[in-house]
Amino acid sequence: DAKTTQPNSMESNEEEPVHLPCNHSTISGTDYIHWYRQLPSQGPEYVIHGLTSNVNNRMASLAIAEDRKSSTLILHRATLRDAAVYYCILKTNSGGGADGLTFGKGTHLIIQP
Amino acid sequence: GAGVSQSPSNKVTEKGKDVELRCDPISGHTALYWYRQSLGQGLEFLIYFQGNSAPDKSGLPSDRFSAERTGGSVSTLTIQRTQQEDSAVYLCASSLGGRISNQPQHFGDGTRLSIL
Repeated sequence: DAKTTQPNSMESNEEEPVHLPCNHSTISGTDYIHWYRQLPSQGPEYVIHGLTSNVNNRMASLAIAEDRKSSTLILHRATLRDAAVYYCILKTNSGGGADGLTFGKGTHLIIQP
Repeated sequence: GAGVSQSPSNKVTEKGKDVELRCDPISGHTALYWYRQSLGQGLEFLIYFQGNSAPDKSGLPSDRFSAERTGGSVSTLTIQRTQQEDSAVYLCASSLGGRISNQPQHFGDGTRLSIL
């Protein structure tokens, strides 16, 4: 899977929007962009994924650059419960077999009350 | 509905003992994954089951590790002759299967394994 680059940490205030960036300059045409997060002492939690178009769900929005070399996870109104490590991952549409998910260091999001 | 359930939540054992970790996936999910996460590290893929197909064992670190999935549902990860470097959180995830890149994985809260 292609590599992604994320900032080590970000800080935001409660009830404000948060924009978490991810660079993936070597993305291929069949790579999906996935975001997961992991709260302390819990398993990872799926947040959102997309291919080319921007995506919205109840948790967040995913904005994908036109050239797909970067994307941004948007939390519209951060709460203290959103404090977690956020992982941006590319998954190749392999069509068979699986190598599972590979998480890098991710972005440690700190929410200030 | 019920999520992925793992047991035990914590396991402490002596070096050299065998351990079994259990995973109950979400009902109807045909794909099941085992991962481990060492302190402060990222996620390491171990093994993948999809329906009745032969499992993908490419991530297992040694022949001391094995896993099975009975009846396409519950899975057990077994570590024989445990070593201290096996200490980690072992995570299980399940998904609907199909084209891997387009299916989100749902994780349990893991088993924290400590080898003394």
